[in-house]
Amino acid sequence: GQNIDQPTEMTATEGAIVQINCTYQTSGFNGLFWYQQHAGEAPTFLSYNVLDGLEEKGRFSSFLSRSKGYSYLLLKELQMKDSASYLCAVDPTDSWGKLQFGAGTQVVVTP
Amino acid sequence: KAGVTQTPRYLIKTRGQQVTLSCSPISGHRSVSWYQQTPGQGLQFLFEYFSETQRNKGNFPGRFSGRQFSNSRSEMNVSTLELGDSALYLCASRRDRGGETQYFGPGTRLLVL
Repeated sequence: GQNIDQPTEMTATEGAIVQINCTYQTSGFNGLFWYQQHAGEAPTFLSYNVLDGLEEKGRFSSFLSRSKGYSYLLLKELQMKDSASYLCAVDPTDSWGKLQFGAGTQVVVTP
Repeated sequence: KAGVTQTPRYLIKTRGQQVTLSCSPISGHRSVSWYQQTPGQGLQFLFEYFSETQRNKGNFPGRFSGRQFSNSRSEMNVSTLELGDSALYLCASRRDRGGETQYFGPGTRLLVL
């Protein structure tokens, strides 16, 4: 099975950088997703890491280390609109669409 | 390309009733998954359909069921509603198999009174 852990909440100021860590235990997976979810809304796709390493996409970057069971999402130049929950999800190899989600990290951006 | 759509967006029912939610995937996507999201339990997988076949199922009682049509549209049904079924129900689609991005619809917010 997969145990996915991420911090419950993080607070940072506008313009700063925040790194959200995600650790997991899994027997096998295709890749790891990061989603952003604003209160009352659906999750929106941010990134999908299949290979080890860093993938950069504008202000957001995501990193994966399969050997260490570790991923992080890096949010740079924080804006107020980045206040949201960030969900880490493992895509298991044999579970047909059944993503395993962490509980989410609530990021609060302050002025 | 249009995103995943879900209807209705909001629904109020009373205990004991049944409800049907609908999901239309992104064009060309054949896999549709359903999730339930509540503040206490987070996002929990209900089931996944591909080519009208259920390929995977989560740990939910038999009151929760679903189906998929030949055009890949999917419905989920909850019978004999309970207060604890109040949640945001999310549908997600992907083209085919694992290793591809799964996109979520806006969700249906169900309130059971």
